[in-house]
Amino acid sequence: DTGVSQDPRHKITKRGQNVTFRCDPISEHNRLYWYRQTLGQGPEFLTYFQNEAQLEKSRLLSDRFSAERPKGSFSTLEIQRTEQGDSAMYLCASSTPGRVGSSPLHFGNGTRLTVT
Amino acid sequence: DQQVKQNSPSLSVQEGRISILNCDYTNSMFDYFLWYKKYPAEGPTFLISISSIKDKNEDGRFTVFLNKSAKHLSLHIVPSQPGDSAVYFCAASGGATNKLIFGTGTLLAVQP
Repeated sequence: DTGVSQDPRHKITKRGQNVTFRCDPISEHNRLYWYRQTLGQGPEFLTYFQNEAQLEKSRLLSDRFSAERPKGSFSTLEIQRTEQGDSAMYLCASSTPGRVGSSPLHFGNGTRLTVT
Repeated sequence: DQQVKQNSPSLSVQEGRISILNCDYTNSMFDYFLWYKKYPAEGPTFLISISSIKDKNEDGRFTVFLNKSAKHLSLHIVPSQPGDSAVYFCAASGGATNKLIFGTGTLLAVQP
């Protein structure tokens, strides 16, 4: 169990640029989640994959955001035409099948995005 | 709408004493509740969970209590240690996706 890995750890970009983040879940985990956390708030759900299928998307995920998990392993989160309001910590989590009480989400250390 | 609320932004406790962190929720469809701990520059780490069919779950120094009628849960840490100093998030889940709804967190400071 090497944990959930996220890359990069930090990203500074100018408004209007596109950015892409990568998440490598724990290898035997087929469920993958993206969350966003801003200062003073708890993580907010963005989207969820089971294997390669994206099964749920939050209303927070505007058309500028897109997530993929092409082979059911790693996932990418892309933000197009970034805005200053996109500045946040983007967290990835993974879990095994089963209800969350016995299959809790394991989080990575996040990618901190700063849009200038 | 804030479905999971942690009304105390911070808590300070002396080493060796009990820490009690509180959480309220509004959605009666939640059937699992979890506590996560977060250190600066790290992701949240799972601590303990409780199913809605139970009222107590214990794991070492950590105990979670659930009062369904009041829609309230609490995390007790006994005895508190300086290494417990972190932000604690309450989270709830209802439904097959296991999506978690988080509270805003409580910063616990354990004084030596």
